[in-house]
Amino acid sequence: QSALTQPASVSGSPGQSITISCTGTSSDVGGYNYVSWYQQHPGKAPKFMIYDVSNRPSGVSNRFSGSKSGNTASLTISGLQAEDEADYYCSSYTSSGTTVFGGGTKLTVL
Amino acid sequence: QVQLVESGGGVVQPGRSLRLSCAASGFTFSNHGIHWVRQAPGKGLEWVAVIWYDGSNKYYADSVKGRFTISRDNSKNTLYLQMNSLRADDTGMYYCARDPQLSSSCPDYWGQGTLVAVSS
Repeated sequence: QSALTQPASVSGSPGQSITISCTGTSSDVGGYNYVSWYQQHPGKAPKFMIYDVSNRPSGVSNRFSGSKSGNTASLTISGLQAEDEADYYCSSYTSSGTTVFGGGTKLTVL
Repeated sequence: QVQLVESGGGVVQPGRSLRLSCAASGFTFSNHGIHWVRQAPGKGLEWVAVIWYDGSNKYYADSVKGRFTISRDNSKNTLYLQMNSLRADDTGMYYCARDPQLSSSCPDYWGQGTLVAVSS
């Protein structure tokens, strides 16, 4: 049950786009279309932003998009805004019937 | 709207037990798998366990297998986590989170969490 691999930090200026990667294996990210992304502000509960690789829940800005290629999923945030500054986590279903999270990425809006 | 409210956290000595609860509302509880996820202070999210919609299947992280038990009472719309033989590294915020599936995939809606501190 190894955690998915995410960069520890990314940064961008307002208006720019950034991409956060999430690398797993063929037993998790590569094997299923059950990949989700979460945003967590300090002291708050996680909020789901993307589900099933690329679907956005109602109420989530279309500036957030998800994709997957092989064993790597990605979250792209376009038109960065100050309020996007937060920690971001990916998760995936696994072949063992469990769920695994990435280590988290801290997004800084410069 | 989907609402999940955790309770039962607190300070407990190493080796002792604690039972967490998660009260659900705003959706048909018996139609969804439910997860427990925890977060140690200053650390990332760690998946703990999941239970299917009818309680027929349960899966655990290796770090809690044999010590923690997940269960549910669909008549009360409530999820539980029985935590035995607690250790210092079990300290953290414990969240319950709904799965969009009957079985399990990845959580969607989350509660606000309940804090567990294991300390002598």
